[in-house]
Amino acid sequence: DIQMTQSPASLSASLGETVTIECRASEDIYSNLAWYQQKPGNSPQLLIYDANSLADGVPSRFSGSGSGTQYSLKINSLQSEDVASYFCQQYNNYPYTFGAGTKLELK
Amino acid sequence: EVQLVESGGGLVQPGRSLKLSCVASGFTFSNYGMNWIRQAPGKGLEWVAYISSGSSYIYYAETVKGRFTISRDNAKNTLYLQMTSLRSEDTALYYCAREYYGLPAFDYWGQGVMVTVSS
Repeated sequence: DIQMTQSPASLSASLGETVTIECRASEDIYSNLAWYQQKPGNSPQLLIYDANSLADGVPSRFSGSGSGTQYSLKINSLQSEDVASYFCQQYNNYPYTFGAGTKLELK
Repeated sequence: EVQLVESGGGLVQPGRSLKLSCVASGFTFSNYGMNWIRQAPGKGLEWVAYISSGSSYIYYAETVKGRFTISRDNAKNTLYLQMTSLRSEDTALYYCAREYYGLPAFDYWGQGVMVTVSS
């Protein structure tokens, strides 16, 4: 199985700040990567697919980048509604696997 | 509006069975591959199973292979997960989720249904 290592596990940032979350795959996943946001008590929401494509309705302050085994999610100009957990997911191979998540809090 | 509504969860003893359902509305269910994904309390996400739009392709996580069966009834717009030989480690919130325009990224998720395996 492809292991997805996400960092940091938790993150504290101020409003308006730029935040970056990293995800490393145990092998090349050829940009077959998605990012999700999960707010407490809610289901996950798709943010990014194919490593750098914004899903429908997602604000443009979210962006994804990377290739090979290294990927990142960037949130520009952090808003209060961005407080959530974020997960990466590879879909290059079955079984699809997720990172352990990054919990983003406001400083 | 796309909606996915799961049901069928509950408390079950180890070794017993349970069948989850997910009723879809607001889109053409028969055009989309569907998945079950679970999340143990306070933990991350684990993909469980996938079924293609016409049920031709089915895949499972190794942790459930041989014990869980995914199926669908396109006439009823319903996805199922038959779970047998349940174990304590199957305790989780189970989500059904739709694939995103043919990609195995998940754009719509249900609210989840809790399955607790305990004696």
